[in-house]
Amino acid sequence: DAGVTQSPTHLIKTRGQHVTLRCSPISGHKSVSWYQQVLGQGPQFIFQYYEKEERGRGNFPDRFSARQFPNYSSELNVNALLLGDSALYLCASSRQGAGGYTFGSGTRLTVV
Amino acid sequence: KNEVEQSPQNLTAQEGEFITINCSYSVGISALHWLQQHPGGGIVSLFMLSSGKKKHGRLIATINIQEKHSSLHITASHPRDSAVYICAVETGGNQFYFGTGTSLTVIP
Repeated sequence: DAGVTQSPTHLIKTRGQHVTLRCSPISGHKSVSWYQQVLGQGPQFIFQYYEKEERGRGNFPDRFSARQFPNYSSELNVNALLLGDSALYLCASSRQGAGGYTFGSGTRLTVV
Repeated sequence: KNEVEQSPQNLTAQEGEFITINCSYSVGISALHWLQQHPGGGIVSLFMLSSGKKKHGRLIATINIQEKHSSLHITASHPRDSAVYICAVETGGNQFYFGTGTSLTVIP
């Protein structure tokens, strides 16, 4: 059974650009959560989606948005990229969004 | 003040030693998670706790809801246990707060 897959694995963008990160959950998992981990710090919660609806949102600006598709995969979008957005972006899935999380390996975004 | 505090930040141990990592939190939680992150970023979920104690192999996690404190213990530590261990809490409002992690190095 495939784990949580994220794409791309690495990405370099220029300030002001837009980026889309993708996450495919484990089969049968209906909840996807997104986290940002800046180098040297713990992960910060960005969003949680369950059954295609937003269930939780962390303290991130409106430049960050996400959505979940009917097949439960998810996209994280970041507009007007800043240098400070450079981080590892992690996705986790669970069956019902209440524990039992499996994390993907992340997308490392570098903004130059 | 961070909602989740971990200690120590860094820990070096000799192979075979018993290791304890502590986590304190200041918010009401529905669950607490212990995560393991290896170099390169991949995160593995070790435990989810809402009360009591859980054991998996050489790993033991405990939580005291009244004291808002959790501990992760590793018995008979091994170099392959070297990783960053992260404590995360989940609130009833579907918010997550993460500790900054404990970097563990186990020396052969």
